Amino acid sequence: GDSVTQMEGPVTLSEEAFLTINCTYTATGYPSLFWYVQYPGEGLQLLLKATKADDKGSNKGFEATYRKETTSFHLEKGSVQVSDSAVYFCALSDRGSRLTFGEGTQLTVNP
Amino acid sequence: GAVVSQHPSWVICKSGTSVKIECRSLDFQATTMFWYRQFPKQSLMLMATSNEGSKATYEQGVEKDKFLINHASLTLSTLTVTSAHPEDSSFYICSARPIRGTDTQYFGPGTRLTVL
Repeated sequence: GDSVTQMEGPVTLSEEAFLTINCTYTATGYPSLFWYVQYPGEGLQLLLKATKADDKGSNKGFEATYRKETTSFHLEKGSVQVSDSAVYFCALSDRGSRLTFGEGTQLTVNP
Repeated sequence: GAVVSQHPSWVICKSGTSVKIECRSLDFQATTMFWYRQFPKQSLMLMATSNEGSKATYEQGVEKDKFLINHASLTLSTLTVTSAHPEDSSFYICSARPIRGTDTQYFGPGTRLTVL
């Protein structure tokens, strides 16, 4: 079945540091890939998405590129802010059906 | 656009009572809504998928008689936790997928249920 594997957290960075959160997936078809962000006590917000190979999703300075050859969708940001502290979930949707989530990565950014 | 609301945002109830949680898509119509449960510091666990006008599809291990789902319209789904017990305490999150043109799910803010 489909699965998503994220790098283990928690991740702690200083403000303005470079961020990478690794995500790899296993799917039988050609899934769409997502990154969701969850702030404390809240639901999930869609951060970015990519629907086909080599697509790059981007939003709020975050980027992720759909790499079919390595089955990866790593999240990157060049300069993190304290306000980026949250839990980040990588997810896939195969043929528009249910979402399969990774375990989530807690990011803490210190001033 | 693509806003999903949940009500209530938190609820405390006594053991044995039932609690209803509403999920509404505010600015789009959704044929499909999803209900998730999230334990502290864990990922989301899909409980059920509900389609407007039909019975919900429950994931393995989820008791359909305990977690009643009704998807009465294209903008509203409800989850009722019947005869709640302390082990049902959790964060319940719904999501909705618009009718047309996307496989993106939009999530509600979640409902914190505490059963005493």
